[in-house]
Amino acid sequence: QKEVEQNSGPLSVPEGAIASLNCTYSDRGSQSFFWYRQYSGKSPELIMFIYSNGDKEDGRFTAQLNKASQYVSLLIRDSQPSDSATYLCAVKEYGNKLVFGAGTILRVKS
Amino acid sequence: GAGVSQSPSNKVTEKGKDVELRCDPISGHTALYWYRQRLGQGLEFLIYFQGNSAPDKSGLPSDRFSAERTGESVSTLTIQRTQQEDSAVYLCASSLDGTGNEKLFFGSGTQLSVL
Repeated sequence: QKEVEQNSGPLSVPEGAIASLNCTYSDRGSQSFFWYRQYSGKSPELIMFIYSNGDKEDGRFTAQLNKASQYVSLLIRDSQPSDSATYLCAVKEYGNKLVFGAGTILRVKS
Repeated sequence: GAGVSQSPSNKVTEKGKDVELRCDPISGHTALYWYRQRLGQGLEFLIYFQGNSAPDKSGLPSDRFSAERTGESVSTLTIQRTQQEDSAVYLCASSLDGTGNEKLFFGSGTQLSVL
């Protein structure tokens, strides 16, 4: 079993819709969770992080964490074509090692 | 510098040759990470430095891979006797204090192609 799992997609949503991206992780002791966005040919950039169970909102982005289910999600409201990218879920494991999932490709169609 | 700098940006080498990849982190960042990203894949953790020491080398794929960091700044990743499966983008990232709870700043990567 991979340490951090994501559906590779592509996930296609129409412009203005809500995009929902999901991630599960295997290390029950993980405490910190991150979502990075990576445009094609570019390096990843951090868009959200979450440490506590529940929701965390930042503009059009909401991160959701459920530690009991070992599940993290990212919601993007009012999706724009510029949101089209690969979204990488990352989990901090013991010893500060940050483990990334393989990423979900999001395509927002105008 | 203003951001994480990696060099070279592209490297083409022949199978069996050694290569050295360089990373210049953001000034003052104590933590430095190396990741590998194969085409269409996620980021594969290689090694992590806190200052000049490497608490976690668990991701290095084989003894052909080594890394060092000097002066709490520049890091070099060396791949000896390169193989075709080493072809990938090698990404370096730095963060302020290495607790793992803070933002990683990534460089633009080195695209390595082994012929």
